[in-house]
Amino acid sequence: GNSVTQMEGPVTLSEEAFLTINCTYTATGYPSLFWYVQYPGEGLQLLLKATKADDKGSNKGFEATYRKETTSFHLEKGSVQVSDSAVYFCALSFGTGNQFYFGTGTSLTVIP
Amino acid sequence: DTAVSQTPKYLVTQMGNDKSIKCEQNLGHDTMYWYKQDSKKFLKIMFSYNNKELIINETVPNRFSPKSPDKAHLNLHINSLELGDSAVYFCASSRSSGGRYNEQFFGPGTRLTVL
Repeated sequence: GNSVTQMEGPVTLSEEAFLTINCTYTATGYPSLFWYVQYPGEGLQLLLKATKADDKGSNKGFEATYRKETTSFHLEKGSVQVSDSAVYFCALSFGTGNQFYFGTGTSLTVIP
Repeated sequence: DTAVSQTPKYLVTQMGNDKSIKCEQNLGHDTMYWYKQDSKKFLKIMFSYNNKELIINETVPNRFSPKSPDKAHLNLHINSLELGDSAVYFCASSRSSGGRYNEQFFGPGTRLTVL
């Protein structure tokens, strides 16, 4: 079957620290991979995406690389800010049917 | 312009009541979804409609009934509300062209509290 596994939270970091949120997936084909972010009280927003192996998605200083050999799509940021405090969701999707499979979410709190 | 909108944003009601949540998207998408997010932020797909036809119907009590009057709207009606229905409900939409860039766009959510 298809599924996404994310690292357990919550994660608490000091401002300017390095962030990694692990995400691995199981899929029956070759999915597209996504990271979504949910700020407090809001809906999910697309943060970045990658559609094939070795693609790197990037946005707002965040990066993730589609690694087919390790079935991973880890989210990284070199220097987090207080404004990055949110819940981060890893997800996969296949174009046909477009069903998304979301991970359980990882809560990040950045303290000054 | 709001891409995906939901009403109401907050809904507080008594057990046993019937309520509806409305969703509209102005992105021209042909697929719409309803998700339920629990207090631990776990996101569960409930339904998906493509061109007004139901294509995903996960294991959801039949007290929940989606209605899609047209491609831009997907409403969720809930009968006989129970305490366990308390959650945040998100509507989303996407293009279903079979391409690999079909990200979903989410509404702001409706926080349902059943007393």
